[in-house]
Amino acid sequence: EVQLVESGGGLVQPGGSLRLSCAASGFTFSSSWMSWVRQAPGKGLEWVANIKEDGSEKYYVDSVKGRFTISRDNAKNSLYLQMTSLRAEDSSVYYCARDRGVAVVVVVAPTGAFDIWGRGTMVTVSS
Amino acid sequence: QSALTQPPSASGSPGQSVTISCTGTRSDVGGYSYVSWYQQHPGKAPKLMIYEVTKRPSGVPDRFSGSKSGYTASLTVSGLQAEDEAHYYCCSYAGNNNWVFGGGTKLTVL
Repeated sequence: EVQLVESGGGLVQPGGSLRLSCAASGFTFSSSWMSWVRQAPGKGLEWVANIKEDGSEKYYVDSVKGRFTISRDNAKNSLYLQMTSLRAEDSSVYYCARDRGVAVVVVVAPTGAFDIWGRGTMVTVSS
Repeated sequence: QSALTQPPSASGSPGQSVTISCTGTRSDVGGYSYVSWYQQHPGKAPKLMIYEVTKRPSGVPDRFSGSKSGYTASLTVSGLQAEDEAHYYCCSYAGNNNWVFGGGTKLTVL
């Protein structure tokens, strides 16, 4: 079964840190661009970060640059999001998602077509 | 990056068609063919409905279609059904390896 399962969310104080994990199964994780997308309670979706299949390229939305780090372990079929200096406005459900990508000559480029999603993990930043 | 602009709400009766717009700029919707649409039911993860402006993943009914003109992308749902009631979000490539979503549209089936 194709599946993404997030974990690691919880309540953390402002300025604190948290590491989210996402376990993938049922598809070739090591061939996929992966993203984190978040959704604040009652709000819309926001793309947070993505990472190339081999981890050599990583990109972030401006609001988390310098505070969040995306990484992956293809041997473990796992995606991670290390979050530091957390703020109240980071409180959201965090989803990991697979980008179906498009072949451009010999490489795969992300297309923003997130075709596999996890159920999300809630992060609450509050004192 | 500013969020793409979607109407907060849309509605239609069963069997009718409804179109949801997603307006951006030349730096996102207008500049690339990487626009996707997502359906989200309450408490659930989003589901990909349209990608690369007009393409439909397998399993998505052909009642759902996408298009783009200038800086505005559109999602049309034909033959509305009760299960189509959900929030819909557009997403576009915004250059510089960034992606931006719209604010979302709540579709109500009357």
